[in-house]
Amino acid sequence: NAGVTQTPKFRILKIGQSMTLQCTQDMNHNYMYWYRQDPGMGLKLIYYSVGAGITDKGEVPNGYNVSRSTTEDFPLRLELAAPSQTSVYFCASSYKQGGQPQHFGDGTRLSIL
Amino acid sequence: GENVEQHPSTLSVQEGDSAVIKCTYSDSASNYFPWYKQELGKRPQLIIDIRSNVGEKKDQRIAVTLNKTAKHFSLHITETQPEDSAVYFCAAHRGSTLGRLYFGRGTQLTVWP
Repeated sequence: NAGVTQTPKFRILKIGQSMTLQCTQDMNHNYMYWYRQDPGMGLKLIYYSVGAGITDKGEVPNGYNVSRSTTEDFPLRLELAAPSQTSVYFCASSYKQGGQPQHFGDGTRLSIL
Repeated sequence: GENVEQHPSTLSVQEGDSAVIKCTYSDSASNYFPWYKQELGKRPQLIIDIRSNVGEKKDQRIAVTLNKTAKHFSLHITETQPEDSAVYFCAAHRGSTLGRLYFGRGTQLTVWP
């Protein structure tokens, strides 16, 4: 199993541009999550999904959108990039409800200039 | 929602010494407590976890203790090695929130040879 795969690994955007961060997992996990990690800080939840067709907001959803059309894929969309969205973005997945380990991807380092 | 506090934010120890990182949580319904290690530029990786029906769990040089009454849990690393240097995050799972984890802000552990 490849686990959780994120693309791209690095990206530089100009203010106002849009992009989609891709995340796919091959572990048949129902639960998927998007976090952002600012320098020297912990992980803040942006959006999460408990299954195909179901998504919900986390702590910091403003400026982002998600979709979950399949079990495997959970893309994160930035519509109008702002400097405050410069961060490292991690996608994660877990098997089921009830407290299960979350498996993280390698992250996408995004800079907005 | 749940609030997880983690201390200290930085910790320096000599190789061979022990290191202890402490976390408190606010919601007595939380029932799953994982610890993640994040090396510089890498993904967070699960190193140990504990559930609320257990008071202590060990895995070689790593142990976690849980005090449900006081709502705190701790990570203990014995015989520290330079490769233990990393940022460590604690997290709490609140049973009713469909797998969502609440993370502490992290502890930068440095082990000096």
